[in-house]
Amino acid sequence: GAGVSQSPRYKVAKRGQDVALRCDPISGHVSLFWYQQALGQGPEFLTYFQNEAQLDKSGLPSDRFFAERPEGSVSTLKIQRTQQEDSAVYLCASSLPGQGREKLFFGSGTQLSVL
Amino acid sequence: QKEVEQDPGPLSVPEGAIVSLNCTYSNSAFQYFMWYRQYSRKGPELLMYTYSSGNKEDGRFTAQVDKSSKYISLFIRDSQPSDSATYLCACANAGGTSYGKLTFGQGTILTVHP
Repeated sequence: GAGVSQSPRYKVAKRGQDVALRCDPISGHVSLFWYQQALGQGPEFLTYFQNEAQLDKSGLPSDRFFAERPEGSVSTLKIQRTQQEDSAVYLCASSLPGQGREKLFFGSGTQLSVL
Repeated sequence: QKEVEQDPGPLSVPEGAIVSLNCTYSNSAFQYFMWYRQYSRKGPELLMYTYSSGNKEDGRFTAQVDKSSKYISLFIRDSQPSDSATYLCACANAGGTSYGKLTFGQGTILTVHP
């Protein structure tokens, strides 16, 4: 596709359930990022992949959050035992290698609501 | 205190007005400065990108960075109703794994009314 694709678009989970959010980056983009955006706030960095290697996971809020990108393309963000404070929009972004790699292209996000 | 501070507004202006959006930051290591536009229920879209201090112009948009005062601005000339959105400033360090690790402001909600 032409842009970053995320699914599902909306996810409602009961507290304690596990969820998996998918990101399909732009073809050829080796860098992939996950951000969390709470209502009325700017996005906050969660984790970063270069190809299949997770190079930075310093923003993951707890060990309930886990991200993977096993083949260097599609990525999955998994949240175990969801809590109400996990409710947010989860944004995926990708960028080209080399010059201009700071320019991130974002998907429309997955809105997670934990009841 | 957050590393990047942005007045959330909301800001409401008539069509054709000049809009000024601003952010301040505290981290001296920031080298890249960006403005993103976010429409409702959409992801952020990159508008302007600046490395270090200076001005950059693109059509009706002008971005300014003053590293001495840690102040970044976005000006929109001849504003249009289609400019109505949330505007997010973002900063990043240079090098290594830092370049895509953006620190965002809270976002300013802008409404341009006809």
